[in-house]
Amino acid sequence: AQSVAQPEDQVNVAEGNPLTVKCTYSVSGNPYLFWYVQYPNRGLQFLLKYITGDNLVKGSYGFEAEFNKSQTSFHLKKPSALVSDSALYFCAVRGLNTGGFKTIFGAGTRLFVKA
Amino acid sequence: ETGVTQTPRHLVMGMTNKKSLKCEQHLGHNAMYWYKQSAKKPLELMFVYNFKEQTENNSVPSRFSPECPNSSHLFLHLHTLQPEDSALYLCASSQDEADHQPQHFGDGTRLSIL
Repeated sequence: AQSVAQPEDQVNVAEGNPLTVKCTYSVSGNPYLFWYVQYPNRGLQFLLKYITGDNLVKGSYGFEAEFNKSQTSFHLKKPSALVSDSALYFCAVRGLNTGGFKTIFGAGTRLFVKA
Repeated sequence: ETGVTQTPRHLVMGMTNKKSLKCEQHLGHNAMYWYKQSAKKPLELMFVYNFKEQTENNSVPSRFSPECPNSSHLFLHLHTLQPEDSALYLCASSQDEADHQPQHFGDGTRLSIL
């Protein structure tokens, strides 16, 4: 069965510093990986995805993520954090299960960026 | 503006009431989803519709009844809910359940059961 883990409930970083939000996954076959962000009182917004190709994927708002097949990870990164990046971040993995492809979401990581 | 609109944004109801949540998407998508988001729990997929046909029901109690009259509209009918059903209910859509494109989410309905 496929799974996705976000090992940190919360990440704290100072504005201007680089940030990393971690995600690891387990899936049969090739994974399709996504990051979403959720701001207060809003739904999830798509940030970026990895389907195939270059392991470094660039997305919205200056975020990027690196697909690492050997470590089964897809960590979200940004070189310089902004206070406005403070939000809840979800990693999602899509893989082949009995009955077809399914997408499951991680539990979320809350990012706090301090001015 | 995400292209997915949910109404109402907030709903307070008693355990014996009947109410409905509405979701509408203007993206030309063919797949629609209901999720439950509770504090400190992973996002729970409840139902999936693809081309108006229900393709997934994740063992959701019968007090939640979905309806998908067309590819643009999705409803969640609520009846005799329990306090533990208080949560944020999110609707999402995608081009097709079978493809690998991201889902587009509405802003949710915050449901409180008294």
